[in-house]
Amino acid sequence: AQSVTQLGSHVSVSEGALVLLRCNYSSSVPPYLFWYVQYPNQGLQLLLKYTTGATLVKGINGFEAEFKKSETSFHLTKPSAHMSDAAEYFCAVSDPGNQFYFGTGTSLTVIP
Amino acid sequence: DTGVSQDPRHKITKRGQNVTFRCDPISEHNRLYWYRQTLGQGPEFLTYFQNEAQLEKSRLLSDRFSAERPKGSFSTLEIQRTEQGDSAMYLCASSRLAGFQETQYFGPGTRLLVL
Repeated sequence: AQSVTQLGSHVSVSEGALVLLRCNYSSSVPPYLFWYVQYPNQGLQLLLKYTTGATLVKGINGFEAEFKKSETSFHLTKPSAHMSDAAEYFCAVSDPGNQFYFGTGTSLTVIP
Repeated sequence: DTGVSQDPRHKITKRGQNVTFRCDPISEHNRLYWYRQTLGQGPEFLTYFQNEAQLEKSRLLSDRFSAERPKGSFSTLEIQRTEQGDSAMYLCASSRLAGFQETQYFGPGTRLLVL
């Protein structure tokens, strides 16, 4: 069975500071991993995904994530936070070709 | 590619009434998913279709819930005899399964409030 744990339901960073959102997964098979962002009253938008190949994945808006099998982690980072990054971020895991399982989300606040 | 659309965006209803939501997926996407999202939680899987076949249903999907995708294109989710606990955001997503790779693209959601 697959599951995702997002450590820290709320994260606050100053504008221009490093953003680090944590995601750990549990999977009985090689996982597919995703990060989605959700702005208020909107659906989820794909930021990036890891399926196979390079473990460092680059996404939109300057975000990237690194798949670390030994740590069962897929943490999301961005070198310099922007006010427009304030949103809810969800990590998700799936079996190949199977349903998705989402974490409970991390709310990112960017302080001017 | 016009994206996934959902209608209505908001719905307020009284307890005991029936409601129906519609989802139009990205064209040529063969999979369509329904999720429920409550405040402070991630999306929870309800059901999904591959073409017109409903392949899996979550235990969250009580017998008051029914979903259809009659022609393998748009889908409807109906909730009968709504309860206050049904208040949530209902999200639709679609994907094109190519081999084992799949990325789900989400619509804007329908926010339901049951009074």
